Amino acid sequence: AQSVSQHNHHVILSEAASLELGCNYSYGGTVNLFWYVQYPGQHLQLLLKYFSGDPLVKGIKGFEAEFIKSKFSFNLRKPSVQWSDTAEYFCAVNGGGNNRKLIWGLGTSLAVNP
Amino acid sequence: DVKVTQSSRYLVKRTGEKVFLECVQDMDHENMFWYRQDPGLGLRLIYFSYDVKMKEKGDIPEGYSVSREKKERFSLILESASTNQTSMYLCASSGQGAYYGYTFGSGTRLTVV
Repeated sequence: AQSVSQHNHHVILSEAASLELGCNYSYGGTVNLFWYVQYPGQHLQLLLKYFSGDPLVKGIKGFEAEFIKSKFSFNLRKPSVQWSDTAEYFCAVNGGGNNRKLIWGLGTSLAVNP
Repeated sequence: DVKVTQSSRYLVKRTGEKVFLECVQDMDHENMFWYRQDPGLGLRLIYFSYDVKMKEKGDIPEGYSVSREKKERFSLILESASTNQTSMYLCASSGQGAYYGYTFGSGTRLTVV
Protein backbone atom coordinates (compact mmCIF):
# COMPACT_ATOMS: atom_id res chain seq x y z
CA ALA A 1 0.00 0.00 0.00
CA GLN A 2 1.09 3.54 -0.66
CA SER A 3 2.36 5.36 2.39
CA VAL A 4 4.25 8.45 3.47
CA SER A 5 6.54 8.48 6.48
CA GLN A 6 7.71 11.58 8.28
CA HIS A 7 10.47 10.61 10.65
CA ASN A 8 10.37 13.52 13.03
CA HIS A 9 7.15 14.04 14.94
CA HIS A 10 8.35 16.97 17.03
CA VAL A 11 11.31 19.21 16.34
CA ILE A 12 12.53 22.05 18.53
CA LEU A 13 15.10 24.50 17.19
CA SER A 14 16.55 27.84 18.09
CA GLU A 15 16.31 30.73 15.67
CA ALA A 16 18.98 30.70 12.94
CA ALA A 17 19.42 26.94 13.20
CA SER A 18 19.19 24.90 10.02
CA LEU A 19 16.18 22.68 9.43
CA GLU A 20 15.77 19.39 7.67
CA LEU A 21 12.52 17.43 7.91
CA GLY A 22 12.53 13.93 6.53
CA CYS A 23 9.87 12.47 4.24
CA ASN A 24 9.95 9.03 2.65
CA TYR A 25 7.24 7.49 0.53
CA SER A 26 6.41 4.11 -0.86
CA TYR A 27 4.94 4.24 -4.34
CA GLY A 28 5.99 2.28 -7.38
CA GLY A 29 5.36 4.71 -10.21
CA THR A 30 5.66 8.35 -11.16
CA VAL A 31 4.96 10.64 -8.25
CA ASN A 32 4.08 14.19 -7.48
CA LEU A 33 5.34 15.38 -4.10
CA PHE A 34 4.12 18.15 -1.86
CA TRP A 35 4.94 19.89 1.39
CA TYR A 36 2.19 21.74 3.19
CA VAL A 37 2.44 23.99 6.23
CA GLN A 38 -0.15 24.80 8.87
CA TYR A 39 0.66 27.82 11.02
CA PRO A 40 -1.07 27.97 14.41
CA GLY A 41 -4.77 28.71 13.94
CA GLN A 42 -4.48 28.89 10.16
CA HIS A 43 -5.46 26.69 7.25
CA LEU A 44 -3.13 24.29 5.49
CA GLN A 45 -1.26 25.92 2.66
CA LEU A 46 1.07 24.68 -0.04
CA LEU A 47 4.75 25.26 0.70
CA LEU A 48 6.21 23.67 -2.42
CA LYS A 49 5.72 20.82 -4.87
CA TYR A 50 7.63 18.62 -7.26
CA PHE A 51 6.21 16.98 -10.36
CA SER A 52 9.13 16.78 -12.81
CA GLY A 53 12.40 18.40 -13.83
CA ASP A 54 14.94 19.79 -11.39
CA PRO A 55 14.77 17.63 -8.26
CA LEU A 56 15.63 20.63 -6.09
CA VAL A 57 12.51 22.73 -5.73
CA LYS A 58 12.17 26.06 -4.02
CA GLY A 59 9.07 27.17 -2.20
CA ILE A 60 7.80 30.11 -0.26
CA LYS A 61 9.55 31.68 2.72
CA GLY A 62 12.99 30.31 1.88
CA PHE A 63 12.07 26.64 2.03
CA GLU A 64 13.38 24.09 -0.42
CA ALA A 65 13.09 20.34 -0.89
CA GLU A 66 15.11 17.76 -2.75
CA PHE A 67 13.56 14.77 -4.49
CA ILE A 68 15.92 11.78 -4.40
CA LYS A 69 14.25 9.09 -6.45
CA SER A 70 16.66 6.31 -5.45
CA LYS A 71 15.90 6.94 -1.79
CA PHE A 72 12.17 7.59 -2.24
CA SER A 73 12.70 10.77 -0.28
CA PHE A 74 11.58 14.38 -0.43
CA ASN A 75 13.19 16.16 2.51
CA LEU A 76 12.35 19.72 3.39
CA ARG A 77 15.13 22.15 4.26
CA LYS A 78 15.67 25.70 5.36
CA PRO A 79 19.13 27.11 6.08
CA SER A 80 18.08 29.41 8.91
CA VAL A 81 14.73 29.16 10.68
CA GLN A 82 12.79 31.99 12.26
CA TRP A 83 10.34 32.04 15.13
CA SER A 84 7.58 32.57 12.54
CA ASP A 85 8.34 29.14 11.05
CA THR A 86 6.74 27.52 14.09
CA ALA A 87 4.06 25.35 12.50
CA GLU A 88 3.06 21.84 11.55
CA TYR A 89 4.52 20.50 8.32
CA PHE A 90 2.96 17.77 6.22
CA CYS A 91 4.46 15.79 3.38
CA ALA A 92 2.10 14.31 0.77
CA VAL A 93 2.39 12.30 -2.44
CA ASN A 94 0.18 11.20 -5.29
CA GLY A 95 0.75 9.16 -8.38
CA GLY A 96 1.16 10.86 -11.72
CA GLY A 97 -1.38 10.91 -14.50
CA ASN A 98 -4.92 11.23 -13.29
CA ASN A 99 -4.38 10.18 -9.71
CA ARG A 100 -5.78 13.03 -7.70
CA LYS A 101 -5.85 11.54 -4.23
CA LEU A 102 -3.03 12.61 -1.92
CA ILE A 103 -1.44 10.25 0.58
CA TRP A 104 -0.35 12.16 3.68
CA GLY A 105 2.33 11.81 6.28
CA LEU A 106 1.35 12.29 9.92
CA GLY A 107 3.03 15.66 10.12
CA THR A 108 5.97 17.18 11.98
CA SER A 109 5.43 19.82 14.61
CA LEU A 110 8.20 22.42 14.54
CA ALA A 111 8.75 24.83 17.41
CA VAL A 112 11.33 27.56 16.95
CA ASN A 113 12.51 29.28 20.09
CA PRO A 114 13.43 32.95 19.79
CA ASP B 1 -6.61 32.97 -5.61
CA VAL B 2 -8.74 29.92 -5.10
CA LYS B 3 -10.96 30.24 -2.15
CA VAL B 4 -12.45 27.37 -0.22
CA THR B 5 -15.01 28.49 2.30
CA GLN B 6 -16.35 26.39 5.12
CA SER B 7 -19.60 27.64 6.52
CA SER B 8 -18.76 27.45 10.21
CA ARG B 9 -15.51 27.89 12.10
CA TYR B 10 -16.82 26.42 15.36
CA LEU B 11 -19.82 24.21 15.90
CA VAL B 12 -21.25 22.53 19.00
CA LYS B 13 -23.83 19.80 18.53
CA ARG B 14 -25.55 17.25 20.72
CA THR B 15 -25.14 13.51 20.47
CA GLY B 16 -27.60 12.05 18.00
CA GLU B 17 -28.12 15.25 16.04
CA LYS B 18 -27.80 15.28 12.26
CA VAL B 19 -25.01 17.68 11.36
CA PHE B 20 -24.30 19.37 8.05
CA LEU B 21 -20.90 20.84 7.24
CA GLU B 22 -20.82 22.94 4.10
CA CYS B 23 -17.93 23.72 1.81
CA VAL B 24 -17.90 25.99 -1.22
CA GLN B 25 -15.07 26.63 -3.68
CA ASP B 26 -15.00 29.40 -6.24
CA MET B 27 -12.56 28.18 -8.89
CA ASP B 28 -14.55 25.60 -10.79
CA HIS B 29 -12.49 22.73 -9.37
CA GLU B 30 -13.54 19.21 -10.26
CA ASN B 31 -12.23 17.55 -7.12
CA MET B 32 -13.33 18.11 -3.56
CA PHE B 33 -12.36 16.35 -0.36
CA TRP B 34 -13.37 16.08 3.27
CA TYR B 35 -10.79 15.28 5.93
CA ARG B 36 -10.74 15.15 9.65
CA GLN B 37 -7.64 16.23 11.52
CA ASP B 38 -6.85 14.89 14.98
CA PRO B 39 -3.65 15.33 17.01
CA GLY B 40 -1.15 12.59 16.28
CA LEU B 41 -3.32 11.09 13.52
CA GLY B 42 -2.66 13.59 10.76
CA LEU B 43 -5.24 14.07 8.03
CA ARG B 44 -7.65 11.23 7.42
CA LEU B 45 -9.77 11.21 4.30
CA ILE B 46 -13.49 10.76 4.88
CA TYR B 47 -14.96 11.16 1.38
CA PHE B 48 -14.04 12.73 -1.90
CA SER B 49 -15.76 13.67 -5.11
CA TYR B 50 -14.42 13.92 -8.65
CA ASP B 51 -17.55 15.38 -10.19
CA VAL B 52 -21.06 16.47 -9.48
CA LYS B 53 -23.10 13.64 -7.95
CA MET B 54 -19.99 11.48 -7.82
CA LYS B 55 -18.54 10.39 -4.50
CA GLU B 56 -16.05 7.88 -3.25
CA LYS B 57 -15.30 6.63 0.21
CA GLY B 58 -12.06 7.59 1.80
CA ASP B 59 -10.31 5.85 4.66
CA ILE B 60 -12.85 6.54 7.42
CA PRO B 61 -16.34 6.94 5.90
CA GLU B 62 -18.29 5.23 8.69
CA GLY B 63 -20.84 7.53 10.27
CA TYR B 64 -20.57 10.08 7.48
CA SER B 65 -22.18 10.75 4.13
CA VAL B 66 -21.68 13.46 1.52
CA SER B 67 -23.60 15.34 -1.09
CA ARG B 68 -22.43 17.13 -4.20
CA GLU B 69 -25.37 18.49 -6.12
CA LYS B 70 -23.46 21.42 -7.60
CA LYS B 71 -19.85 21.58 -8.68
CA GLU B 72 -18.89 24.30 -6.24
CA ARG B 73 -20.46 22.78 -3.13
CA PHE B 74 -19.55 19.65 -1.19
CA SER B 75 -21.43 18.86 1.98
CA LEU B 76 -20.43 16.49 4.76
CA ILE B 77 -23.24 14.96 6.77
CA LEU B 78 -22.97 13.31 10.15
CA GLU B 79 -26.08 11.18 10.22
CA SER B 80 -26.18 10.85 14.01
CA ALA B 81 -23.38 12.74 15.70
CA SER B 82 -21.36 10.96 18.34
CA THR B 83 -18.71 12.22 20.74
CA ASN B 84 -15.96 10.39 18.85
CA GLN B 85 -16.72 12.63 15.88
CA THR B 86 -15.47 15.64 17.80
CA SER B 87 -12.68 16.86 15.56
CA MET B 88 -11.40 19.48 13.14
CA TYR B 89 -12.96 18.98 9.72
CA LEU B 90 -11.13 20.23 6.67
CA CYS B 91 -12.48 20.69 3.18
CA ALA B 92 -10.16 20.90 0.17
CA SER B 93 -10.47 21.25 -3.57
CA SER B 94 -8.16 20.71 -6.51
CA GLY B 95 -8.12 21.02 -10.27
CA GLN B 96 -8.03 18.22 -12.79
CA GLY B 97 -4.85 16.16 -12.85
CA ALA B 98 -2.39 14.90 -10.27
CA TYR B 99 -0.11 17.90 -10.60
CA TYR B 100 -2.46 20.19 -8.74
CA GLY B 101 -2.13 20.38 -5.04
CA TYR B 102 -5.06 21.03 -2.81
CA THR B 103 -6.47 24.30 -1.56
CA PHE B 104 -7.88 24.01 1.92
CA GLY B 105 -10.58 25.81 3.78
CA SER B 106 -10.03 27.17 7.27
CA GLY B 107 -11.65 24.19 8.90
CA THR B 108 -14.64 23.59 11.15
CA ARG B 109 -13.98 22.60 14.72
CA LEU B 110 -16.90 20.40 15.68
CA THR B 111 -17.58 19.48 19.27
CA VAL B 112 -20.22 16.85 19.97
CA VAL B 113 -21.50 16.89 23.55
